[in-house]
Amino acid sequence: QLQLQESGPGRVKPSETLSLTCTVAGGSVSNRNCYWGWIRQPPGKGLEWIGSLHYSGNTFHNPSLKSRVTISVDTSKNHFSLKLDSVTAADTAVYYCARVGGGDWGVNSWGQGTLVTVSS
Amino acid sequence: QSALTQPASVSGSPGQSITFSCTGGSSDVGLYNYVSWYQQHPAKAPKLMIYEVNKRPSGVSNRFSGSKSGNTASLTISGLQADDEADYYCSSYSISGNSHVVFGGGTKLTVL
Repeated sequence: QLQLQESGPGRVKPSETLSLTCTVAGGSVSNRNCYWGWIRQPPGKGLEWIGSLHYSGNTFHNPSLKSRVTISVDTSKNHFSLKLDSVTAADTAVYYCARVGGGDWGVNSWGQGTLVTVSS
Repeated sequence: QSALTQPASVSGSPGQSITFSCTGGSSDVGLYNYVSWYQQHPAKAPKLMIYEVNKRPSGVSNRFSGSKSGNTASLTISGLQADDEADYYCSSYSISGNSHVVFGGGTKLTVL
């Protein structure tokens, strides 16, 4: 059974870079039939798509975040990562890593989520 | 402001059927059959309930069903149960911008 686990700092200072890693267990990031993605949820608010990538390097990003977002994959470590530059308090959220169906764009597996607070 | 529009809240009594709406546009819901629905209980990760408008993942109750007409997708829960009380989000693949997925703002379901 696929398991996803986010890891990274729980607090980031304003203007710095948020960095998270998602470790994949029970599956391979080299699976050509899916994408790997990041989704966030500010406290008390709804879900926001950040972006997704295929192990081949094909990526999709939320246009509102695109210039600040880097999503990458490391097949040797079976994990993928998120970097979000120049964070502000508005980036405070629970960040989920996820597997996305390559042919249907449904998020069929989620990590438990990790709260990242932007604060000095 | 979310790309897809959902009512903020709905309520129903046990045993009833209830329908959620999700309205998009010609670049997302109206263009693709890649509409998904998610259930999220408090402090939990969302769970996929419906994908490709009307398909259920393995293990999801057949009380959950999906449909679409034009730019509006719908999720119906029949035989409402107490445990169905949760937030429900829709999503759709979108050709807007760099082509990505967009979410609705979510609907809070209260089981009376």
